[in-house]
Amino acid sequence: GNSVTQMEGPVTLSEEAFLTINCTYTATGYPSLFWYVQYPGEGLQLLLKATKADDKGSNKGFEATYRKETTSFHLEKGSVQVSDSAVYFCALSERTSYDKVIFGPGTSLSVIP
Amino acid sequence: DAGVTQSPTHLIKTRGQQVTLRCSPKSGHDTVSWYQQALGQGPQFIFQYYEEEERQRGNFPDRFSGHQFPNYSSELNVNALLLGDSALYLCASSLGQGRRKTQYFGPGTRLTVT
Repeated sequence: GNSVTQMEGPVTLSEEAFLTINCTYTATGYPSLFWYVQYPGEGLQLLLKATKADDKGSNKGFEATYRKETTSFHLEKGSVQVSDSAVYFCALSERTSYDKVIFGPGTSLSVIP
Repeated sequence: DAGVTQSPTHLIKTRGQQVTLRCSPKSGHDTVSWYQQALGQGPQFIFQYYEEEERQRGNFPDRFSGHQFPNYSSELNVNALLLGDSALYLCASSLGQGRRKTQYFGPGTRLTVT
């Protein structure tokens, strides 16, 4: 079945460091790909998305590119801030079941001053 | 523009009891999905409602049921609660039944079963 795999956390970075969170997926067809973020005590917020191969999603300095050849959607940010501390979820939406979103296990990020 | 709202925020129940959680979708959205997020894990899809009918269902037992009202709001009911039902329950809304929709999530209801 379809699934999402993320790098295990927790990840701890110093402020202004470069961030990469790896994400790979298994899916039939051409799913849409998402990154959601969950700040402490809050619900999920959509961070960015990409709906077809080679699309780049971007928001708030975060970027991810839909790589079909490697079935990956890695999240990157050039300079993290303390306020970026949160749990990040990679997710996919199946082509034939657009409301069923399959999430990865999440990667916890802590940014220290 | 109001986002997705859920009630209550927190709930404590005893094993064997029944619980009802409520969700109001984002303004203009007509589709509601429910997810269960256990501590330290990613959300798991429970089911989705559109036009007051259950359209898709994840791998959850019949103890989990739902309803959608004409105003698109929705309820999640869980019967015969188990300790393992303790989790954050998330509601998400979207518009229509076409391709490439984006779901918007509410803040969740934290259910604790003792």
